[in-house]
Amino acid sequence: AQSVTQLGSHVSVSEGALVLLRCNYSSSVPPYLFWYVQYPNQGLQLLLKYTTGATLVKGINGFEAEFKKSETSFHLTKPSAHMSDAAEYFCAVPSGSARQLTFGSGTQLTVLP
Amino acid sequence: SQTIHQWPATLVQPVGSPLSLECTVEGTSNPNLYWYRQAAGRGLQLLFYSVGIGQISSEVPQNLSASRPQDRQFILSSKKLLLSDSGFYLCAWERQGLNIQYFGAGTRLSVL
Repeated sequence: AQSVTQLGSHVSVSEGALVLLRCNYSSSVPPYLFWYVQYPNQGLQLLLKYTTGATLVKGINGFEAEFKKSETSFHLTKPSAHMSDAAEYFCAVPSGSARQLTFGSGTQLTVLP
Repeated sequence: SQTIHQWPATLVQPVGSPLSLECTVEGTSNPNLYWYRQAAGRGLQLLFYSVGIGQISSEVPQNLSASRPQDRQFILSSKKLLLSDSGFYLCAWERQGLNIQYFGAGTRLSVL
């Protein structure tokens, strides 16, 4: 079954600095990959979705993710961090028979003033 | 537009008491519905999913059960809560065929 690994449970960046959150998928190229964001005590909000054939996927709030088959990666980036970006970010991949999503363990992003 | 509601937002229950969490979706029909649990500092674990009324699949053996009495209503229940049932419970819906899940705001359950 497909799985994703998020390297780095905590990432800290300064305001205005580049944000890079890492996600690697496990095996064969998945048909879809997702990044979700979760603000404290809230549900998950979809940031962006990869579909087969895309390489650079643009999402909301200035985030984008690049799909690299050679590296089995789908890292999330944002050129300039904002204080409001502080949240937990989850990478997810479909698995199982009923459109189930398998989530990574999450990366907590802290933005320093 | 579609919206998803979960309630209550916060719940504190004693060990051994029953549980009922409700999730409803508006603005769509025949959605796939999901219950996830998020333990402190951990990722999301899929508990149940449903592709239609009365159709429930369980992902992990546990103290919880789910029901879907109506097309857009998904209920998570327990007859007797355990300490280990504490966590953040998230409901999600997906329009069949679109492969995107949309989440509710969650219910934080503390079992004491």
